[in-house]
Amino acid sequence: GIQVEQSPPDLILQEGANSTLRCNFSDSVNNLQWFHQNPWGQLINLFYIPSGTKQNGRLSATTVATERYSLLYISSSQTTDSGVYFCAVSGTYKYIFGTGTRLKVLA
Amino acid sequence: DVKVTQSSRYLVKRTGEKVFLECVQDMDHENMFWYRQDPGLGLRLIYFSYDVKMKEKGDIPEGYSVSREKKERFSLILESASTNQTSMYLCASSFVGSSQHFGDGTRLSIL
Repeated sequence: GIQVEQSPPDLILQEGANSTLRCNFSDSVNNLQWFHQNPWGQLINLFYIPSGTKQNGRLSATTVATERYSLLYISSSQTTDSGVYFCAVSGTYKYIFGTGTRLKVLA
Repeated sequence: DVKVTQSSRYLVKRTGEKVFLECVQDMDHENMFWYRQDPGLGLRLIYFSYDVKMKEKGDIPEGYSVSREKKERFSLILESASTNQTSMYLCASSFVGSSQHFGDGTRLSIL
């Protein structure tokens, strides 16, 4: 099956810093999503991005499907950005999740 | 806005009990999913359904069953709860080839 690797596993930032999170996947996919899991356990949709680039405020994402990776950019980080960021991919119905990047933003 | 509602945020049950976790979505999505999330293991797919009365096993279906009698509702059933089923359970729904939307999760403790 498809393997998904996320890096780095842990990241600590000072408020206002920028960061890049990476998701590598081992096979071609039709669906790719980025999620943020907040400290209360809720999974929040960030991007549905099987290819191309999207932006939403301070967040943006790029997927290069031919090279089997996706990047999530966080600019001007805030303490509310803390939590775990997951990448999830699928060929058809079945999504495979990476193990996540745990981000802590310090005030 | 998409709404996926899970019946309980926290639930405590005893070993051997039959446990029902309910999930309802309001967007007419074809696909619905049940995951469990455990520290160090990430999210793992238990079952998914791509239509009413249709279901497919995920990666860890043992000890679970599901029911989808109506398009908007997907139930996860623990036939005889065991302590190793203590976990966070997350339901999601989606259109085919589109983004998944998650409920708030149910933290289930089996004593």
